[in-house]
Amino acid sequence: AQKVTQAQTEISVVEKEDVTLDCVYETRDTTYYLFWYKQPPSGELVFLIRRNSFDEQNEISGRYSWNFQKSTSSFNFTITASQVVDSAVYFCALSEARSSASKIIFGSGTRLSIRP
Amino acid sequence: EAQVTQNPRYLITVTGKKLTVTCSQNMNHEYMSWYRQDPGLGLRQIYYSMNVEVTDKGDVPEGYKVSRKEKRNFPLILESPSPNQTSLYFCASSPTSGLARGNEQFFGPGTRLTVL
Repeated sequence: AQKVTQAQTEISVVEKEDVTLDCVYETRDTTYYLFWYKQPPSGELVFLIRRNSFDEQNEISGRYSWNFQKSTSSFNFTITASQVVDSAVYFCALSEARSSASKIIFGSGTRLSIRP
Repeated sequence: EAQVTQNPRYLITVTGKKLTVTCSQNMNHEYMSWYRQDPGLGLRQIYYSMNVEVTDKGDVPEGYKVSRKEKRNFPLILESPSPNQTSLYFCASSPTSGLARGNEQFFGPGTRLTVL
């Protein structure tokens, strides 16, 4: 069965600090996809990144970076030099690539507050 | 502009009064899905549709119905709403084969439903 755990319910840091959001997943499939979405205070859901299970390369996009480790079933998200605009709820999600199913499981989210 | 629209954005209703939340996308996406977001639980999938006339249950389908008569529309129907269906609802769409191909989802702005 699929499961996504975001153990950090809330994180609060001071602006310019680095912060890492943890995501641990469970799946029996060998082919799957992992996602991160951002939900700012305005409420919309914004796609950040997708990673498939065969691509363990870490990715960096500006101040954002993602560390995918199959050995620990983790897909962590780091924000470097955080800014107030990074304040949001962040969701990690998992989908299995079976053609007969298109379910996606979201974690419970981590609320990130960046203090000026 | 490519988008997913939901109506209404806010709704207060009473127990037992049937309601429909509409969802429409203009991106010719095959995959559409409904989620509910509750504090501490993240997003949970209610129903999804792989294409016209093809729908399937997500993780929390009880008390909900959907239909997919046209590609662009995917309404969520609550035949007899109850207070435990008070939640924030999101509709989403995704290109061909949706999540099985690792495609990200495009989310609507959300509908906040209160059932008294």
